[in-house]
Formats: sequence, C-alpha cells, structure tokens
Amino acid sequence: NAGVTQTPKFRILKIGQSMTLQCAQDMNHNYMYWYRQDPGMGLKLIYYSVGAGITDKGEVPNGYNVSRSTTEDFPLRLELAAPSQTSVYFCASSGGLAGYNEQFFGPGTRLTVL
Amino acid sequence: ELKVEQNPLFLSMQEGKNYTIYCNYSTTSDRLYWYRQDPGKSLESLFVLLSNGAVKQEGRLMASLDTKARLSTLHITAAVHDLSATYFCAAGYSGGGADGLTFGKGTHLIIQP
Repeated sequence: NAGVTQTPKFRILKIGQSMTLQCAQDMNHNYMYWYRQDPGMGLKLIYYSVGAGITDKGEVPNGYNVSRSTTEDFPLRLELAAPSQTSVYFCASSGGLAGYNEQFFGPGTRLTVL
Repeated sequence: ELKVEQNPLFLSMQEGKNYTIYCNYSTTSDRLYWYRQDPGKSLESLFVLLSNGAVKQEGRLMASLDTKARLSTLHITAAVHDLSATYFCAAGYSGGGADGLTFGKGTHLIIQP
C-alpha cells in the first residue's frame, strides 16, 4: 500500500493564482483531513470529510474549498492565493467506525505564495 | 474551544538522561495522540491513548493519559541521539463523527552525545 500520497511536493504561486492540492489514500479509510503547518507551529485543521460526498469546515477554512467525490481522493482547492497561505499542507486519513483511530499523514506539500 | 499546550517547547538534553514532555488540554477529550516529526518530513504516529489511565510504551518512549487532570505525558528513558525530533501531542474533539485533531505547538528535542 502507498498509504497517503500528496502532489505536488512543492509549488510556488503568485498572489491571486489558484491551484488544487491532490490527496489520495489506498487504505479504504472513510475519514480524511487537511491540515496546514506554519513554521515552528503545530498543525491546524482546514477541512475534513467523513465519507464520499460529506465535508465540513475545520479551524481555518477561509480561502480554501474541498470536495470528496470518492473514498480515495480528497483534493484541496486554493482560490485567489494570498501570502498568508504560505505553509506546508498535510493530508491525513483514518479508519474505524468513528474515526477514533490514529491518523496517517501524507508527505506534505510545501506551498509558497509570492 | 479545545486548546492544547505542550511544555517545554524546546529541550536540549544529554544522552542517557531521562525527561518528560507534558501536554495539557483545555476541555473534555478522551483521546490523545503523540506524533514525531523529523525536519522536513511528515508526521509519524507514536501513540494513541483512548482512555483514562492508558499507558503505552515503545522502546525508550512511554506515554500516559490522565483525563481527569487533562494531562498526557511522554517520558523518555535513557535518551539516545536518534530520538532527536519534534514531538507533537494532539487532542481529539467530536465534530460530525470525525476526529479532527487540535495540535500543540510541538516540543523540539535535541539529544546531545
């Protein structure tokens, strides 16, 4: 199993551009999450999903959108990129009936907005 | 709002010594997670603590959870250089059945020979 994969690994955007961060998992997990990690800080939850077609906001959702059309994929969309969105983005997934189990993290996408 | 505080945030210690990292959280949460992150890398799950009094050990690391005190600890025994990393604790909260995590700021641990 590849686990949780993310693409791209690195990206530089200009202010106002848009992009989609891809995330996929092959563990048949229902629960998927997007976090951002700013330098020297812990992770903050952006959006999460409890299954295909169901998403909800986390702590810092402004400036982002998500969709979950399949169990495997959970893309994160940035519209009108701003310097404040410069961060490392991690996607994670977890299994189990109530998502109480450990979350498995992808390798991250390092995004710089100039 | 669930808040998670770790201390210390920075720790430099010598090989062979013992030390404890503390993780306090602000509201009721009975699930606590510990992760390790190496520089430029992703997060690696170390421990999942799901009940009061839970204690788990892996090698030189031992984690415990006291839900009444809203406190988890990560104890390092006879530290070795390979344990140098940033350690995060995270507490879970209910939200539509998912288990999004609130992270502490991390403890940057340096173990010197």
